[in-house]
Amino acid sequence: GQNIDQPTEMTATEGAIVQINCTYQTSGFNGLFWYQQHAGEAPTFLSYNVLDGLEEKGRFSSFLSRSKGYSYLLLKELQMKDSASYLCAVSDSNYQLIWGAGTKLIIKP
Amino acid sequence: ETGVTQTPRHLVMGMTNKKSLKCEQHLGHNAMYWYKQSAKKPLELMFVYNFKEQTENNSVPSRFSPECPNSSHLFLHLHTLQPEDSALYLCASSQDQGGPSNEQFFGPGTRLTVL
Repeated sequence: GQNIDQPTEMTATEGAIVQINCTYQTSGFNGLFWYQQHAGEAPTFLSYNVLDGLEEKGRFSSFLSRSKGYSYLLLKELQMKDSASYLCAVSDSNYQLIWGAGTKLIIKP
Repeated sequence: ETGVTQTPRHLVMGMTNKKSLKCEQHLGHNAMYWYKQSAKKPLELMFVYNFKEQTENNSVPSRFSPECPNSSHLFLHLHTLQPEDSALYLCASSQDQGGPSNEQFFGPGTRLTVL
């Protein structure tokens, strides 16, 4: 079967760095997405990785290792507004998105 | 504002009621999706429409009935729902179904409670 695993909840301190991991087992691979979802709001796109390596976009970076079925989202200089759920999703061989359950990130002052 | 709107934002209905959820996208996309989001569970893909044609139906019970009259509008008709159907229902759109880096844009969702 297809499976996406990510931690249920993480806590970090304002100004710090946090890494949210995602491991996957899917039938085929056409890229991995990270989305951010604030409580009661729509998920919004953060990043897309299809090749191995690190993609940096401001305070957020996303890493992919296809051989290990592994990705992480790195958030630097954490701000209170970063408190949200972070969703990992993999595009499978049919380009259908397979979603993880999301990681709820709590930022403390 | 993602360019995808959903109404109503909140809905409470009894098991014998009939209601409809509406989604509209202003992005010129060709594909539209219905997802169910339950607490601490992955997003569940329900239906996909590409160029107004239904291309996916992930074993969704018949008490959920989708309708896509054009590429900009998507409806989800609900009847004789069960309490376990209570969830957040999200609509999304993308340029096309499939293809690399095909980012999906989500609406804010309808919070449905079935009594």
